[in-house]
Amino acid sequence: GAVVSQHPSRVICKSGTSVKIECRSLDFQATTMFWYRQFPKQSLMLMATSNEGSKATYEQGVEKDKFLINHASLTLSTLTVTSAHPEDSSFYICSARQSVGPQAGPQETQYFGPGTRLLVL
Amino acid sequence: GQNIDQPTEMTATEGAIVQINCTYQTSGFNGLFWYQQHAGEAPTFLSYNVLDGLEEKGRFSSFLSRSKGYSYLLLKELQMKDSASYLCALMDSNYQLIWGAGTKLIIKP
Repeated sequence: GAVVSQHPSRVICKSGTSVKIECRSLDFQATTMFWYRQFPKQSLMLMATSNEGSKATYEQGVEKDKFLINHASLTLSTLTVTSAHPEDSSFYICSARQSVGPQAGPQETQYFGPGTRLLVL
Repeated sequence: GQNIDQPTEMTATEGAIVQINCTYQTSGFNGLFWYQQHAGEAPTFLSYNVLDGLEEKGRFSSFLSRSKGYSYLLLKELQMKDSASYLCALMDSNYQLIWGAGTKLIIKP
């Protein structure tokens, strides 16, 4: 159980184009999904948190107009990198969490998708 | 505020046992997670502790002491495939994950 898929796994695009990445929880309903970015040999960096049916909460320094997040259902969230530039090239990883509370428990575990490697030329 | 510390890198021998420590400071606590991340791949969930004590799962065990702000991940019968980064993550009172920088574990034959 607790499988999260991500598509595409790898994408190469030209500078100035937009890229959409999908994240799906396959066997559970995710009230919250998270989008991370990771540069080579660096730590995970949380970009934004999205709750189903509401606007995403972006971390400081992450441009919400550039990284559009939609979490329209309990099993799907999308990240669109708009007008991508070479500096946006990175490993983008989503994670999904079933729920939180009322008592701390396994339902709060974040399960990660396999990641999307983006290369902007 | 919150703070998590874990060693940057550790080396161990195939077949041996290794313990990766994680210490933390936080005002609110809703559990501590360990994840494994192989180079070039996304993290995979290993364990979750919210109560004090040891949780055993095959070759991997995780321990938590909330009063000491301390956790460790114990890996037994090390295999070459265990070479990876091990990430300690704290869930705070807002159910947000605070990530450690990760410990790179190198297994030698």
